[in-house]
Amino acid sequence: AQSVTQPDIHITVSEGASLELRCNYSYGATPYLFWYVQSPGQGLQLLLKYFSGDTLVQGIKGFEAEFKRSQSSFNLRKPSVHWSDAAEYFCAVPKAAGNKLTFGGGTRVLVKP
Amino acid sequence: EAQVTQNPRYLITVTGKKLTVTCSQNMNHEYMSWYRQDPGLGLRQIYYSMNVEVTDKGDVPEGYKVSRKEKRNFPLILESPSPNQTSLYFCASSLGSWGSYNEQFFGPGTRLTVL
Repeated sequence: AQSVTQPDIHITVSEGASLELRCNYSYGATPYLFWYVQSPGQGLQLLLKYFSGDTLVQGIKGFEAEFKRSQSSFNLRKPSVHWSDAAEYFCAVPKAAGNKLTFGGGTRVLVKP
Repeated sequence: EAQVTQNPRYLITVTGKKLTVTCSQNMNHEYMSWYRQDPGLGLRQIYYSMNVEVTDKGDVPEGYKVSRKEKRNFPLILESPSPNQTSLYFCASSLGSWGSYNEQFFGPGTRLTVL
């Protein structure tokens, strides 16, 4: 069954520094992949999605992600982090049966001034 | 404004006292789901609905019920809540199934504590 793993539970980064969040997937075929962000006290917001085609995907809020089939990864990046990026980030893969998103465990990002 | 709303946002209750968490969407979406979020586990689907009167179990349905009598509403019912149902709950909706590349829109969440 398809699944995603986020190896990092917490990441602390200084404001202005770059950020990379890891996501590894387990799936036989080319998966659809999503990154969501959950700001404190908020619901989930879609940052970006990969379905096919260009392996570098641009999203909202200055985020991008790169699909690497050879590494079974879909890592999220941002060149320069802002304090407002402090949140929890989830990688997810959809499953058509049940119209379900299967989520990774999440990575909580803390931004130091 | 297109949105998914949930009520209440916060709820503290006691074991065994029936409760309902409401979910409503104004986007005329066919698909709706309930998820629970627990630390380190991400979100897990409880139930989903593909249309009015069509519902099915997700990954963690035990202890929950749902109904879909109207397209816009998808309430989550806990007939006899227990402490292990203390969690953050999210409702989500989408226009169609994943084969249509449809994004899921999430509500703001309901934090439930069962004492």
